[in-house]
Amino acid sequence: DIQMTQSPSSLPASLGDRVTITCRASQDIGNYLRWFQQKPGKSPRLMIYGATNLANGVPSRFSGSRSGSDYSLTINSLESEDMAIYYCLQHNEYPYTFGAGTKLELK
Amino acid sequence: EVQLVESGGGLVQPGRSLKLSCVASGFTFNNYWMTWIRQAPGKGLEWVASITNTGGSTYYPDSVKGRFTISRDNAKSTLYLQMNSLRSEDTATYYCTREGARYWGQGVMVTVSS
Repeated sequence: DIQMTQSPSSLPASLGDRVTITCRASQDIGNYLRWFQQKPGKSPRLMIYGATNLANGVPSRFSGSRSGSDYSLTINSLESEDMAIYYCLQHNEYPYTFGAGTKLELK
Repeated sequence: EVQLVESGGGLVQPGRSLKLSCVASGFTFNNYWMTWIRQAPGKGLEWVASITNTGGSTYYPDSVKGRFTISRDNAKSTLYLQMNSLRSEDTATYYCTREGARYWGQGVMVTVSS
């Protein structure tokens, strides 16, 4: 199975900060990588697909990138509504696997 | 607007069975693969099962293989998850999703406890 190692697990940050969350894939997954945002009591929301593509309605301060087997989600100029847990997902091969999540919280 | 509405959750004893349903609307159901994903209380996300648009192929992780069965009725735009031999570790919110989790339902809670 492909392991997705997500870091950090917790990320304290201030409003206006630029933050980056990373997932490292244990095997090649191409660009079959998605990022999700989940707020308390809500279903996850797709933010990034194909490693770098912004999903519909997602603010432009969010972006995705890839460097080898490292996939990153960056949020520029953090806003209060961005406080949530973020997960990556590889869907290159079964079993699909998620990262363990990153809790983004106010410092 | 894509809508996915799950139902069928509840409290069930270990070893018993439960069947979840997900009614889809706002898109042509038989054009899309569908997936169930679950989340144990306070934990992360886990992929549970996927099915092709025709229902001809299904996929499961080892944690549920042989116990869970995903199926669909394209005429009713409905996705199902038959869960047998339930264990306490199956306690979770179960989400119905379209494609590779591009769209999500609101989730349905399943609690396995005596």
